[in-house]
Amino acid sequence: GAVVSQHPSRVICKSGTSVKIECRSLDFQATTMFWYRQFPKKSLMLMATSNEGSKATYEQGVEKDKFLINHASLTLSTLTVTSAHPEDSSFYICSAPRLRDRGNEQYFGPGTRLTVT
Amino acid sequence: QKEVEQNSGPLSVPEGAIASLNCTYSDRVSQSFFWYRQYSGKSPELIMSIYSNGDKEDGRFTAQLNKASQYVSLLIRDSQPSDSATYLCAVNANTGTASKLTFGTGTRLQVTL
Repeated sequence: GAVVSQHPSRVICKSGTSVKIECRSLDFQATTMFWYRQFPKKSLMLMATSNEGSKATYEQGVEKDKFLINHASLTLSTLTVTSAHPEDSSFYICSAPRLRDRGNEQYFGPGTRLTVT
Repeated sequence: QKEVEQNSGPLSVPEGAIASLNCTYSDRVSQSFFWYRQYSGKSPELIMSIYSNGDKEDGRFTAQLNKASQYVSLLIRDSQPSDSATYLCAVNANTGTASKLTFGTGTRLQVTL
């Protein structure tokens, strides 16, 4: 079954509003989670690393004030897209690493499709 | 130079054949290697992980790793139309802590009837 959940799966919002996306690790703790975005037929793009108890680490070119990340607990990270614009419309996916065998395997949530009108 | 390289495809194989997907990486300290399958409009799904040189088999899937050549591959035996998807190769430099994955751009596989 799923090990990482995301909510909502799909959201439509108007320009200028903010949208919060939740990512939860199910029955395991994740001190680190990752947020990606993906445009149609394009590669995954890592946006930021969410760290429980400290600030998120953003990739180059990602606006931290626009994409607010809060790792509130060992099983929950949230991504808030502030003052959304149509160009923010994308598929947002989180992942969480889980220790397996000899390493951390990353499991992805089902994704959130954001449409900004 | 890209850190993880894959042929974008599409790779077309007939049903029942073996599909061979290849990936090369540039960082020699890489320790963990993963294959993900992504259907159109869905998020990636982990299908294989491999850490040591050699082969690792799981059902119809076999991952092969050659660290000296910096090469990792995925074989899919008895390919089915449901295997049609984009396959992402991912590499992680550190096994002990949760560090970032570096992804290839993916190879699109088409299994034809």
